[in-house]
Amino acid sequence: QEQLVQSGAEVKKPGVSVKVSCKASGYTFTDYYIHWVRQAPGQGLEWMGWINPNGGATNYAHEFQGRVTVTRDTSISTSYMELSGLRSDDTAVFFCARDRSLYGTNSFDIWGQGTMVTVSS
Amino acid sequence: DIQMTQSPSSLSASVGDRVTITCRASQSISYFFNWYQQKPGKAPNLLIYGASNLQSGVPSRFSGSGSGTDFTLTISGLQPEDFATYYCQQSYSTPRTFGQGTKVEIK
Repeated sequence: QEQLVQSGAEVKKPGVSVKVSCKASGYTFTDYYIHWVRQAPGQGLEWMGWINPNGGATNYAHEFQGRVTVTRDTSISTSYMELSGLRSDDTAVFFCARDRSLYGTNSFDIWGQGTMVTVSS
Repeated sequence: DIQMTQSPSSLSASVGDRVTITCRASQSISYFFNWYQQKPGKAPNLLIYGASNLQSGVPSRFSGSGSGTDFTLTISGLQPEDFATYYCQQSYSTPRTFGQGTKVEIK
């Protein structure tokens, strides 16, 4: 079945980087954009950016510009989200999601299970 | 950026109740609008896309309406498994902003 499977939980110290992976299966990876979303504990959903796996173009939210890099490896149908300069308020669950276009509108129809990143000294 | 404002932020309801959640966009977004459900410790799940289209596998008690700036999610006959947090999202432009969420709790 179509699914996105993310890498496991991470514990990082302030100032370093974290790289989360999102592996797609059950569909053609290059046919759909992948988006990344952050959710701090007890908080709402915050859009971070997207990548077009077909070509690698990216777009990031202003809040994350300069700190986030989203990449992909089409040979293994995987997208990566790297966040640098980690701060304690980056402690959150990070989700990847597939962007489906249907009837001329877009929505996130498949989500990864989420990756918890804890930033603590 | 387009701001999405949901109301209420939380509500208490009983099994069998009809529940309505609203979302307002800061500018017109036509029908480029989605609703998601999220349960604790889980990823969000797409319920409604294109403002009023029911995602495959979602029960028919969920329905969506609206266009332009004002949108509504209705749950007709709340079930125990519907107690969750609901988010709206615009897909009109980047950034793909979400509402702040509406938590539906058991009365």
